[in-house]
Amino acid sequence: QVQLVQSGAEVKEPGASVKVSCKASGYTFTDYYIHWVRQAPGQGLEWMGLINPGAGSTSYAQRFQGRISMTRDTSTNTLYMELRSLRSEDTAVYSCARDRGGIVKSMDYWGQGTLVTVSS
Amino acid sequence: DIQMTQSPSSLSASVGDRVIITCRASQSISDYLNWYYQKPGKAPRLLIYATSNLQSGVPSRFSGSGSGTDFTLSITSLQPEDFATYYCQQSYGTPYTFGQGTKLEIK
Repeated sequence: QVQLVQSGAEVKEPGASVKVSCKASGYTFTDYYIHWVRQAPGQGLEWMGLINPGAGSTSYAQRFQGRISMTRDTSTNTLYMELRSLRSEDTAVYSCARDRGGIVKSMDYWGQGTLVTVSS
Repeated sequence: DIQMTQSPSSLSASVGDRVIITCRASQSISDYLNWYYQKPGKAPRLLIYATSNLQSGVPSRFSGSGSGTDFTLSITSLQPEDFATYYCQQSYGTPYTFGQGTKLEIK
C-alpha cells in the first residue's frame, strides 16, 4: 500500500533552517509528483510547492522562493523539504502529499505531518 | 494568486441531512478544482478531484459540480464521520491555493 512516512517533530530558533524528510513506499517513486503543504496551528492549508521525483524538477510558491528547496534521493525513495531563515510564522505542520496523476493535480496520499516549531 | 473563497465558513447540521458547500475562485479555473476533508489532528483526505470525480473509496453520498469560478460540494444523508472541515483547492495555476475551509459541525 502507498505510504508516506515523515521525519519527527523539530524545534528551531528563528533564523535557522529545517529539513523535513518524507519516505515513500508502495508505488513507483519516480512516477508521481510530490507536493508539500503546511498548516499553521488552527489555520488552513497552504501549498508550498512540488517536485517531480523522476526529473528532480521543482515548482515553488513565490512566497517561499529563495528560502525553500525540495530534493529527492532516488536510491532511498525519500523526498526532502528544506526551509531556511525560519521565523515564528513558519511554525506549522508540514506535510508531503502524493499527486494523484492526471491533468488536474490533486493529492491522494498524505504523510502524517511533521510539526516544526520556531521559537527562541 | 488565485483566491478561493468558501461559504459558509461553518455549518451546523444533523445526521441524515443534506448539505452544500460552495467554493468560488477569483478567476476561471475551468474544472481544476478538488475537495478534501480533514479531521482534527489528521491529514487531509481527497474526496473529489477535477470538480466531479469521486476519489476511490469515497462514499457516493459525496458529489461535486461546477465549472469556471463557481463550484459546490454536496453531501447527502450526513453520517457521523462526515463532521469535519472541508477544503476546496484549485490546481489551475501555481500556487495551488486552498479555500479557507468550512467546518461542518453536528447540530
